[in-house]
Amino acid sequence: DVKVTQSSRYLVKRTGEKVFLECVQDMDHENMFWYRQDPGLGLRLIYFSYDVKMKEKGDIPEGYSVSREKKERFSLILESASTNQTSMYLCASRDGLAGNTGELFFGEGSRLTVL
Amino acid sequence: SQQGEEDPQALSIQEGENATMNCSYKTSINNLQWYRQNSGRGLVHLILIRSNEREKHSGRLRVTLDTSKKSSSLLITASRAADTASYFCATDGGGKLIFGQGTELSVKP
Repeated sequence: DVKVTQSSRYLVKRTGEKVFLECVQDMDHENMFWYRQDPGLGLRLIYFSYDVKMKEKGDIPEGYSVSREKKERFSLILESASTNQTSMYLCASRDGLAGNTGELFFGEGSRLTVL
Repeated sequence: SQQGEEDPQALSIQEGENATMNCSYKTSINNLQWYRQNSGRGLVHLILIRSNEREKHSGRLRVTLDTSKKSSSLLITASRAADTASYFCATDGGGKLIFGQGTELSVKP
């Protein structure tokens, strides 16, 4: 059974803290994605990665960075958390060989609250 | 850059009724996908329709695609309370999927 695991379902952090959101997939997928989801705004793409050590900016990369040192792991980093980064964060992966026709497999989400 | 936009934003129906959700998009696509999200959970892929297809079925789901109007619809027949969820369309854009804002479906028993 395919699986995308996000390390934390719920986090509460303070403004200015550095935050790491971890995502691991067990499907040997090349492509991995980070989205944030906010009411009324749907899902917005933050960063994605086609392969190890590769990263591409999505639509809203400001205030975020990512790391992909291993194929199975894609980390989202908030260098200095701010209250407007309070959101649900969703990680997803996709088989790179499927190209644009591939479905995304999502994790359960990490709900981050920044106080 | 919002590509797909769903309509309506919210839909409430009785069990047994059909539910129809619509999605419009702006640029040409290779395929369009529909996803479902239960409250507080991740998204789950439902169905994919390619640009050269007009209709596709999967169980109680029926998806249509009209590339001339840049629109798609998702029909859930004989709805059940367990179908209560948010439904999103997604279109490909340069190797990444771009999601709409979703339709929140509530099916009352």
